Amino acid sequence: DAGVIQSPRHEVTEMGQEVTLRCKPISGHDYLFWYRQTMMRGLELLIYFNNNVPIDDSGMPEDRFSAKMPNASFSTLKIQPSEPRDSAVYFCASSLSQGGEQYFGPGTRLTVT
Amino acid sequence: RKEVEQDPGPFNVPEGATVAFNCTYSNSASQSFFWYRQDCRKEPKLLMSVYSSGNEDGRFTAQLNRASQYISLLIRDSKLSDSATYLCVVNMGPSGTYKYIFGTGTRLKVLA
Repeated sequence: DAGVIQSPRHEVTEMGQEVTLRCKPISGHDYLFWYRQTMMRGLELLIYFNNNVPIDDSGMPEDRFSAKMPNASFSTLKIQPSEPRDSAVYFCASSLSQGGEQYFGPGTRLTVT
Repeated sequence: RKEVEQDPGPFNVPEGATVAFNCTYSNSASQSFFWYRQDCRKEPKLLMSVYSSGNEDGRFTAQLNRASQYISLLIRDSKLSDSATYLCVVNMGPSGTYKYIFGTGTRLKVLA
């Protein structure tokens, strides 16, 4: 299997622009997670889905952030409008079962200038 | 108090040394615990789960102390390739749910 796939790997954008991050989980995995990692705050869970349904979005920082999972093989995390403080590495992860190992994608390094 | 706390390090140890990291957590009802490893500019990867009775995987031993609310990771005979950041992870969600809280990590450097 190819593992969790994320795109783009790097994104540089200007403040105020819309940013869309994409994730393809491992086939057959029922859980999908979006995380954000910064030096100051470490790795933070933003939202997770089970069978394409959002279960807990309490980690989404504010209304500028939204996430969707239209089908079992694709999810997006959108930031609109982006701000410099959104600069971070965004990871997508998937797991086969509740409580199981999470497999992380390579991450998207986002820089907002 | 942070929900999950780790000493950021770095821990600089010579090859062959034994090194141990602790991680404290705030929610006494937490049910599952893990150690992940993250190499520089890479994604985290599961190193091992932590079971109540403690568990060992080769040179790595994980322990859980519920009374004092901490987990530990012991690495014996450390190798250069063990150099990485070790992330403590605690599932703080109510039973049957996920709320994985990651520590900010402990950096290990194994020196030749």
